[in-house]
Amino acid sequence: GQNIDQPTEMTATEGAIVQINCTYQTSGFNGLFWYQQHAGEAPTFLSYNVLDGLEEKGRFSSFLSRSKGYSYLLLKELQMKDSASYLCAVTDSNYQLIWGAGTKLIIKP
Amino acid sequence: TAGITQAPTSQILAAGRSMTLRCTQDMRHNAMYWYRQDLGLGLRLIHYSNTAGTTGKGEVPDGYSVSRANTDDFPLTLASAVPSQTSVYFCASSDSPSNEQFFGPGTRLTVL
Repeated sequence: GQNIDQPTEMTATEGAIVQINCTYQTSGFNGLFWYQQHAGEAPTFLSYNVLDGLEEKGRFSSFLSRSKGYSYLLLKELQMKDSASYLCAVTDSNYQLIWGAGTKLIIKP
Repeated sequence: TAGITQAPTSQILAAGRSMTLRCTQDMRHNAMYWYRQDLGLGLRLIHYSNTAGTTGKGEVPDGYSVSRANTDDFPLTLASAVPSQTSVYFCASSDSPSNEQFFGPGTRLTVL
């Protein structure tokens, strides 16, 4: 079966750095997405990785290792507005997105 | 630019009744999707359409039907609602199945 695992909840302090991990087992791989979802709102796109390595976009970075079936999202200089759920999703061999359940990130002052 | 819109925003529906959730995008995207999101389960794909005139079944299609008569609209119909269909429904679109998806604001449906 296809499976994506990420921690259910994480807590971090304003101004700090946090890493949210995602491991996946899917039938094929055609890319990995990270989305942000604030409570009561729709998911919004953060990043996309299809090759191994680190993609940096401002305070957010995403890393991929295809051989390990592993990705992480790194958030730097945390702000209160970063309190949200972070969703990991993998495009499988049929180009369908398989979604993780999401990681709820709580930022404390 | 509206992007992708959904209607209604929320709805309470009696079990056994039918309902159509509407979704419209103005980005001329080829692919469109319907998801449901339940606590602790993440997003689950109900149906999808890679291009106008075609549709496909996702992970949880039972009890739902869709049509894609044109590029912009992708309605989702519940023929006879059951309480287990209580959920938040998101419509999304993308330029192609391998590209990022853009989501509508969601419809919160309660079936009693």
